[in-house]
Amino acid sequence: AQSVSQHNHHVILSEAASLELGCNYSYGGTVNLFWYVQYPGQHLQLLLKYFSGDPLVKGIKGFEAEFIKSKFSFNLRKPSVQWSDTAEYFCAVTPPRFKTIFGAGTRLFVKA
Amino acid sequence: DAMVIQNPRYQVTQFGKPVTLSCSQTLNHNVMYWYQQKSSQAPKLLFHYYDKDFNNEADTPDNFQSRRPNTSFCFLDIRSPGLGDTAMYLCATSRGEGGPGDTQYFGPGTRLTVL
Repeated sequence: AQSVSQHNHHVILSEAASLELGCNYSYGGTVNLFWYVQYPGQHLQLLLKYFSGDPLVKGIKGFEAEFIKSKFSFNLRKPSVQWSDTAEYFCAVTPPRFKTIFGAGTRLFVKA
Repeated sequence: DAMVIQNPRYQVTQFGKPVTLSCSQTLNHNVMYWYQQKSSQAPKLLFHYYDKDFNNEADTPDNFQSRRPNTSFCFLDIRSPGLGDTAMYLCATSRGEGGPGDTQYFGPGTRLTVL
């Protein structure tokens, strides 16, 4: 069965530290890949997405993600986090003609 | 401008008392989804509509039903809520069912508390 793994459930960083959140999926074919963010008390918002083309995708608020097909990975990065990035981050994968599968989420806490 | 709207934002109901949650969209998308998200967990798909075609997930309890009277609106009916149904309920829409470029857009959610 298809699955999405987010390796870190909780991450604590200081402001200005660099961030990398891992995401791996299990599906051998073409997929749509997403990162969503959920700020405290708010709804899921799309950070960035990848469908095809350049595997390095830039999203909102300085986030980027790199799709590495050989590793089935779509890791999220940000060079310098801010306190306002404190949120829960979900990786999601949509195989063709199939439902979107969400990872379990990573809670990021950024210390001011 | 709000694209996926959910009402109410907060709902408290009693054990066993039916409740209906509402979702509307201004995107004219074909697909509407209902997810259940419990605290500190990933959203869990309950069912979705492609136009008028209803697609239920295998593990969605019979207690949960849905209606889509037109393209813009979709309702989630919980016939006899239990304490375990306390959760955030998310509505989402997309143009297609996971084709290239399809993106789901989420509403703000309805936080349901069953007492």
